[in-house]
Amino acid sequence: AQSVSQHNHHVILSEAASLELGCNYSYGGTVNLFWYVQYPGQHLQLLLKYFSGDPLVKGIKGFEAEFIKSKFSFNLRKPSVQWSDTAEYFCAVKKTGFQKLVFGTGTRLLVSP
Amino acid sequence: DTAVSQTPKYLVTQMGNDKSIKCEQNLGHDTMYWYKQDSKKFLKIMFSYNNKELIINETVPNRFSPKSPDKAHLNLHINSLELGDSAVYFCASSRETSGSRQTQYFGPGTRLLVL
Repeated sequence: AQSVSQHNHHVILSEAASLELGCNYSYGGTVNLFWYVQYPGQHLQLLLKYFSGDPLVKGIKGFEAEFIKSKFSFNLRKPSVQWSDTAEYFCAVKKTGFQKLVFGTGTRLLVSP
Repeated sequence: DTAVSQTPKYLVTQMGNDKSIKCEQNLGHDTMYWYKQDSKKFLKIMFSYNNKELIINETVPNRFSPKSPDKAHLNLHINSLELGDSAVYFCASSRETSGSRQTQYFGPGTRLLVL
């Protein structure tokens, strides 16, 4: 079955620490890749997306992600986190030609001041 | 100017009742979706409509019935509510479905609590 895996369920960091959240998917072929963020009590917001081209994608709020096709991965990174980055982060994958967007189980990030 | 809006934001009701959640988007998108987010934050698609036509219907109990009066609206009606229906329901929309550059935009969610 097609799936999206986020290995880290909970991550706790201090402010200014670097962040990397893992995302792997099991689809073959061409995919579109997304990272969404959900701040406490709020809706999902798009952080960044990859459709084609440069595999290093820059998003909002200093986030970036790298698509590594050979590893079926799309890891999210930020060099220096802030307390306001405390949120739930979701990786999502859509296979080209299909309608469904499939989400990972999410990673809860807690940044302590 | 909310792009994707949902009403109500909170819904508390008794088991067995029938309730509706409304969703509207002003982005001019053709496709709308309903997702359910459970207590563990797992997000799963329920339905998708493209130009008022149902295109995705996951394994959702038939107590759930989406209705799309026009392409800017996708409402979710739930009959005979059960405790397990308690969740956050998110509406989303996108410009197209199977195209290669689809990005989904989400509404604020409706927190449903069934007592």
